[in-house]
Amino acid sequence: EIVLTQSPGTLSLSPGERATLSCRASQSISSNYLAWYQQKPGQAPRVLIYGASTRATGIPDRFSGSGSGTDFTLTISRLEPEDFAVYYCQQYSGSPPITFGPGTKVDIK
Amino acid sequence: QVQLQESGPGLVKPSETLSLTCTVSGASMNTYYWTWIRQPPGKGLEWIGNIYYSGKINYNPSLKSRVIISIDTSKNQFYLKLNSVTAADSAVYYCARWRELLFDYWGQGSLVAVSS
Repeated sequence: EIVLTQSPGTLSLSPGERATLSCRASQSISSNYLAWYQQKPGQAPRVLIYGASTRATGIPDRFSGSGSGTDFTLTISRLEPEDFAVYYCQQYSGSPPITFGPGTKVDIK
Repeated sequence: QVQLQESGPGLVKPSETLSLTCTVSGASMNTYYWTWIRQPPGKGLEWIGNIYYSGKINYNPSLKSRVIISIDTSKNQFYLKLNSVTAADSAVYYCARWRELLFDYWGQGSLVAVSS
């Protein structure tokens, strides 16, 4: 099973600032199979990025993804008030199980 | 507009079986994988397993001995059964559509508590 580690656990920032979230895999994964989700309290997760760098439909361009191999990054260029949430990375190596990282909470400083 | 909706009991007794239904609207079930994911209160996401319309199923090895996922495309529904539940199985259970590279549609979630 591929284990995903996310850092930091919590990121305290102000609106307008840049957020950089890290996701590290325990072994190399295909970039095609790395996705990022945003979850707000009481809501289901929403996909932001898939294929490591492709924005999902309707996702603003302030969200971007990058990385390959074992190291991946989600960047929010300028935080908007609605971006304060928990972010999860998720991988699919081609065989089960699909796994998620433990999440990074982005909260207001 | 694709929509998924979980339904089932909100309370299950320890050692009994948790049963949930996911009803899909706005999309044919005859493609994609249909998935169950859970989230204990205040914790992260755990993939339980998924099923293709043909009946091909994948389970999380950590739960495989206790889980059954099934599908009825004529009713546009798929199902989760988790037996021998304990308090550790208390969670919000989500159904979702797996579009090969991503989970693109999710239900709103169904909170299930395991308690006597």
